Amino acid sequence: NAGVTQTPKFQVLKTGQSMTLQCAQDMNHNSMYWYRQDPGMGLRLIYYSASEGTTDKGEVPNGYNVSRLNKREFSLRLESAAPSQTSVYFCANRDRGRSYGYTFGSGTRLTVV
Amino acid sequence: KNEVEQSPQNLTAQEGEFITINCSYSVGISALHWLQQHPGGGIVSLFMLSSGKKKHGRLIATINIQEKHSSLHITASHPRDSAVYICAVVSSRNNDMRFGAGTRLTVKP
Repeated sequence: NAGVTQTPKFQVLKTGQSMTLQCAQDMNHNSMYWYRQDPGMGLRLIYYSASEGTTDKGEVPNGYNVSRLNKREFSLRLESAAPSQTSVYFCANRDRGRSYGYTFGSGTRLTVV
Repeated sequence: KNEVEQSPQNLTAQEGEFITINCSYSVGISALHWLQQHPGGGIVSLFMLSSGKKKHGRLIATINIQEKHSSLHITASHPRDSAVYICAVVSSRNNDMRFGAGTRLTVKP
């Protein structure tokens, strides 16, 4: 099925550990995004990629890195996890055509202890 | 102040009730989206609006561009409508998306 696939669904890390969240799309959209969702707040943009090979910082980029090596995949890396990064992370792509509609992955619930 | 404000934050209703969720925004927009997030699940798009009104089944979304306000209505609510409903706007300045904090709806049988 067409969409955005995100892995893993759940992860528990110890402070200081590193990990990479994977995201892949099969919709051939140029734009991809990483958001975090925290209680009482709207989705906040961490990083985005307007096209293959390009990435830009969003609203809350500190502590994260991203990689967009090809059109299909956009990964988010935490080099040294901190408890403040406990959150639910969503990858999304976006139709930059007429609708500007988003398609979201199913989310990754990350807990840093 | 958040650029996108939703009210109420939480809403509990009895099955069959008419539901209204409100969204106000403070930026110029080219479009507004209503999204639905089920517990433990992902986020799906319900509507994209740039003017007027749209209807899909029991869901109705309206927007008033002059007043910078949108509403999502659910007629004959059902427990399966229980979810978080998120309003998001596309900035007309830079096409960035801004999200409201969401409204948690619980419909009791």
